[in-house]
Amino acid sequence: SSELTQDPAVSVALGQTVRITCQGDSFRTYYASWYQQKPGQAPVLVMYDKNHRPSGIADRFSGSTSGSTASLTITGAQAEDEADYYCNSRDSSDNPVVFGGGTKLTVL
Amino acid sequence: QVQLQESGPGLVKPSETLSLTCTVSGGSIGSYYWSWIRQPPGKRLEWIGCVYYTGSTNYKPSLKSRVTISVETSKNQFSLRLSSVTAADTAVYYCARGLVGATRDYYFDYWGQGTLVTVSS
Repeated sequence: SSELTQDPAVSVALGQTVRITCQGDSFRTYYASWYQQKPGQAPVLVMYDKNHRPSGIADRFSGSTSGSTASLTITGAQAEDEADYYCNSRDSSDNPVVFGGGTKLTVL
Repeated sequence: QVQLQESGPGLVKPSETLSLTCTVSGGSIGSYYWSWIRQPPGKRLEWIGCVYYTGSTNYKPSLKSRVTISVETSKNQFSLRLSSVTAADTAVYYCARGLVGATRDYYFDYWGQGTLVTVSS
């Protein structure tokens, strides 16, 4: 099965740009989705179909894919963006949903 | 606004069956892939499986032998049964609404608040 690999932790200065990445062979075929999860809360969808933002998600969030790496970029990070971020996609086999291990984003 | 709410026991004994129900409000249960996703303490999210409103199901292969997900459209509910549980099944269990993306990937736009299920004697 295909695994999705994320850096465990990333930090960014307030107002700066940060890119959170997710690596996996899945992205050569399938799009990524991204979720933001704050402590004790359910995940919130922030990006789907590679670069589509759900209604209500700030436009400082954007998505992209290059080869086997999907990225979520936050342009002008805010304090409220501090959270865990998970990528998800489809496995290339009969496992339709896989998640990355998550990246803890700290806004300094 | 669509809302999902999980309900069920918070404690299950080893070898028994975990049963949870998700009630959907504020929207129709039709045309979506209603999913169960769990998160063991400190670990990544894990998709368990889903049910379409027609009753068609799809499960994570490694859990398939122990999982049953069903839907009751008249009640706007869907349910999870996970048999022969062990301590490894201890997790926060979320129900979520799934859609199919442009490349047949699944993504989840509405989630329940989650319910902690502990497997212990």
